[in-house]
This record gives sequence, structure tokens and C-alpha cells, in this order.
Amino acid sequence: DAGVTQSPTHLIKTRGQQVTLRCSPISGHKSVSWYQQVLGQGPQFIFQYYEKEERGRGNFPDRFSARQFPNYSSELNVNALLLGDSALYLCASSLERGGYTFGSGTRLTVV
Amino acid sequence: AQSVAQPEDQVNVAEGNPLTVKCTYSVSGNPYLFWYVQYPNRGLQFLLKYITGDNLVKGSYGFEAEFNKSQTSFHLKKPSALVSDSALYFCAVRDTGNGGSQGNLIFGKGTKLSVKP
Repeated sequence: DAGVTQSPTHLIKTRGQQVTLRCSPISGHKSVSWYQQVLGQGPQFIFQYYEKEERGRGNFPDRFSARQFPNYSSELNVNALLLGDSALYLCASSLERGGYTFGSGTRLTVV
Repeated sequence: AQSVAQPEDQVNVAEGNPLTVKCTYSVSGNPYLFWYVQYPNRGLQFLLKYITGDNLVKGSYGFEAEFNKSQTSFHLKKPSALVSDSALYFCAVRDTGNGGSQGNLIFGKGTKLSVKP
């Protein structure tokens, strides 16, 4: 069975640009969460979506947005990129709250 | 505020020796606790979780963790360390607060485990 897949694996963007990251959950999982992991820190919660509706939002600015599609895949968008947005972005899926399975992440570098 | 603390940035162990990676937590209500491992340039791999029941939880790759309610701790242990266990270990607790992150995970800052031959 395929796990949580994220794309792209790496990308480099310039300050001020916009980026879209993608996530496909495990088949049958309806909940998708996004986390940001800055180098040397633990992951921090950004968003959770369940059945295409936002169920939770962490302490991130409005430049961050997300959505979930009918097939339960998800996109994370970040506008007006800052150097501080450089991080590993992790997607996790679950059948219910808790017990999350993580993808390998997208490494975003902002220059 | 709900939080997870991993007091050690790094733990060094000789192969074959027992290892312990420490974690303490602060949440309201009953804690749901997790351990994840992260290898370089990889995502998080689930090791084990405590929801309820026996205080000693057994997980993947020979790891186990002991839940101690009075000390609000959930230390990760392994009887005999392997060089291949060298990685970054994260403790996490489910957010039980009333804010926007309710139900999602609060992570510690991580502990780097180094196992030497």
C-alpha cells in the first residue's frame, strides 16, 4: 500500500514568490494535516483538513493557506515567501484524530 | 500552555547498551503520547503511542516507552542499542486545548541519538 506521498521533494524559491505543495493521503484516510519543521526544531502544526473542511489552524500568518480536494488530497499554499519560510513541510494523514502517518516531506528553500 | 519537553539535545550510547530518551509533557486532561523517529532528509516514522491502558508500551524496532502519570513523563527505551538506531527522536502529545490546533500534535524539539560501535 502506498503511504503518504508529497510533491515535490525539494524546491527553491525566491523571496516574495508563491509556492504550492501537494500531498496525497493513505487510501481511505480522510484527514490531512500540515506541519512545518524548521531546521533544529520539532514540527509545528499549520492546518488540518477533514472531509474537505478546515478543522484546525495553528499559529501561522494568513500567507499560509490550504485546501482539500474530493479525493482527499491536499495542497498547502504559501504566498509572499520569506527567508524564514525555509523548512521541511510535512503532511500527515489519519483515519481519525491522532495516530498520524507522515510523508517524507517537501524541503523548501527560500533565497 | 500545553507543551512537550525533551531535555537532552543529544544522547550518546555504545552499541549493545540500553538507551533512554527522555520526554516530559504538560497537557490538560488525559494525554495521548507519541514517539516518532526521523532519519536524515526523511519524514517522521511512527514508533509507538500511549492512549490508555498498560503504562509500558511496546513499539516498532524493539523500542518501548513507559508512561508515568505522576512524573508526567513518557521516556523512550531500548534494552540494546544498534548503530542503525542513530537518528532524531521526537516526542509528541495530542493537543487537548480549545484552540485551533486541538486534536493535532505538539512536538518536542527532538533528541539526537548517536550509537557508536
